[in-house]
Amino acid sequence: NAGVTQTPKFQVLKTGQSMTLQCAQDMNHEYMSWYRQDPGMGLRLIHYSVGAGITDQGEVPNGYNVSRSTTEDFPLRLLSAAPSQTSVYFCASSYSRAGEGVFGAFFGQGTRLTVV
Amino acid sequence: TQLLEQSPQFLSIQEGENLTVYCNSSSVFSSLQWYRQEPGEGPVLLVTVVTGGEVKKLKRLTFQFGDARKDSSLHITAAQPGDTGLYLCAGVPSEYNNNDMRFGAGTRLTVKP
Repeated sequence: NAGVTQTPKFQVLKTGQSMTLQCAQDMNHEYMSWYRQDPGMGLRLIHYSVGAGITDQGEVPNGYNVSRSTTEDFPLRLLSAAPSQTSVYFCASSYSRAGEGVFGAFFGQGTRLTVV
Repeated sequence: TQLLEQSPQFLSIQEGENLTVYCNSSSVFSSLQWYRQEPGEGPVLLVTVVTGGEVKKLKRLTFQFGDARKDSSLHITAAQPGDTGLYLCAGVPSEYNNNDMRFGAGTRLTVKP
């Protein structure tokens, strides 16, 4: 009954460091995505993937990389952390309907990242 | 500017009161979804509305999709402290690709006992 699992739950980085946020889902969904949530701004889409080997940019992709080698896993890489990347990061897994795209998202518990 | 504007931003009411929160846009959506998020947790999907004018009920929660598919509302009857949380609407605008799902900033609801 795992759903979407994110690790770590908390992380503190120094400016310039790199790291990878892990995300795994066991629902066999083709669509996975990463969001960041900042106060007063809701969730903003960083990157998404519609299947293994296929990724695309969302609303705020700069400073982040993704890859999708399997259906289950969708890691998010911060290349050189900056204080502006301090946020709560959520991974989501979604089903879709033909012609309507992504339809409903199941979220992980989030990673709270602080960049100092 | 948010693609999906939610109002009010904050709402604090007493247990037993009714309330309505709104999600508005100038864009047309093929569907809209509502989520509830509690502190320290990820958002949890409550409902998806698909057809213009559609009304869906989930116990004391009633969701409506506007006829023009540009807006939605969530009405809670006889609110309880367990309804406290951040309510988010989300959807894919028809002018975007089908996988670019956008969220509103949310309505933070507090229900006092």
